[in-house]
Amino acid sequence: QQQVKQSPQSLIVQKGGISIINCAYENTAFDYFPWYQQFPGKGPALLIAIRPDVSEKKEGRFTISFNKSAKQFSLHIMDSQPGDSATYFCAASMEGSNTGKLIFGQGTTLQVKP
Amino acid sequence: DAGVTQSPTHLIKTRGQHVTLRCSPISGHKSVSWYQQVLGQGPQFIFQYYEKEERGRGNFPDRFSARQFPNYSSELNVNALLLGDSALYLCASSFRTGPYGYTFGSGTRLTVV
Repeated sequence: QQQVKQSPQSLIVQKGGISIINCAYENTAFDYFPWYQQFPGKGPALLIAIRPDVSEKKEGRFTISFNKSAKQFSLHIMDSQPGDSATYFCAASMEGSNTGKLIFGQGTTLQVKP
Repeated sequence: DAGVTQSPTHLIKTRGQHVTLRCSPISGHKSVSWYQQVLGQGPQFIFQYYEKEERGRGNFPDRFSARQFPNYSSELNVNALLLGDSALYLCASSFRTGPYGYTFGSGTRLTVV
């Protein structure tokens, strides 16, 4: 119940295309869903986050879509660029726990071809 | 402004030894969290400290311990190292408790041989 399942494991997209990464969760107590981007040799960096009272959130080329009934959320990267090539992690947390615990998915390695 | 600083960047230890990893948060951040990232997997939560008190603990054995100092820097200690402890150890700082607004450091790569 504490898991966050992420797919696909890897993704290859042409420059200018749309990259889509999906995550699913079981615990309905989760109420904070961030996405992180990690480049080799670096720590994860927060991209965008959403709470379950919102179905979609957009920041620049990055959009989170959230489906509360299906317990799924996804990251869309529009107009994908070679500089977007990185590993992406979804995560989930229970805000009320106040413990700082984020549960991460397994990660998706994105390669954007020029 | 300096980001989250972790030291050392790389470390090789022998099974059974002890290791101490250090983290300096962003200035003004009072919360420090530690995560373990095994190669090819997502980070796993170890601890969160806020105002020098432990606020959260993940599912790690008692060999793992941490503390936070008055200047908000933090140490992660691991005793009796096992081969399976080989991982990237990430520190994240934030203004407050909870999982918000994390800024991660680049990590310490620990190899246990």
